[in-house]
Amino acid sequence: DGGITQSPKYLFRKEGQNVTLSCEQNLNHDAMYWYRQDPGQGLRLIYYSQIVNDFQKGDIAEGYSVSREKKESFPLTVTSAQKNPTAFYLCASSIGRDRSYGYTFGSGTRLTVV
Amino acid sequence: GENVEQHPSTLSVQEGDSAVIKCTYSDSASNYFPWYKQELGKGPQLIIDIRSNVGEKKDQRIAVTLNKTAKHFSLHITETQPEDSAVYFCAASIASSGSARQLTFGSGTQLTVLP
Repeated sequence: DGGITQSPKYLFRKEGQNVTLSCEQNLNHDAMYWYRQDPGQGLRLIYYSQIVNDFQKGDIAEGYSVSREKKESFPLTVTSAQKNPTAFYLCASSIGRDRSYGYTFGSGTRLTVV
Repeated sequence: GENVEQHPSTLSVQEGDSAVIKCTYSDSASNYFPWYKQELGKGPQLIIDIRSNVGEKKDQRIAVTLNKTAKHFSLHITETQPEDSAVYFCAASIASSGSARQLTFGSGTQLTVLP
């Protein structure tokens, strides 16, 4: 079955550490997205990518970095510059361009600073 | 940029009653409005969407209405069941030529269906 896989499901980060969240899709979607979810604030866009080797900042990109070396993969690194990283992170993909059929979301990674 | 407001933030209904969630958007150029359902600890799932050339769309117990003039759209769930309990998000997007859609989400509504 096609879908998006996020790993790990839970992740703990110490102060000053960088951590990388994995996102893999086998839907042959062109576009991929990273969202952050905090209680009562909906989903906020961190980064998105429309095509391999290209990505754009979203609304809250500071303290995060991404890469898109393969169509199937869009990992997110939470750097030590992100001062409040505890949140639920969601990866999504879509066909992209003007042919939108909505987003397909992964099951999320819950990141906690310890 | 686009701003989407969603109300109410929490909604409790008796099983079998109807539930209505409302959203407003700010950018009149928005032309795609999906609704997502998120169960606890899971990612959101698309349940219904509507495009700006349509005023209403229905899928079994779920319907969405769009008023472009007033810039608001609503989700209607009839004959609610306990399994409808979840967080519901509305979203809006503008598709510009050659670019991927970027959704702007509302803040979510926690729907609780009481048995």
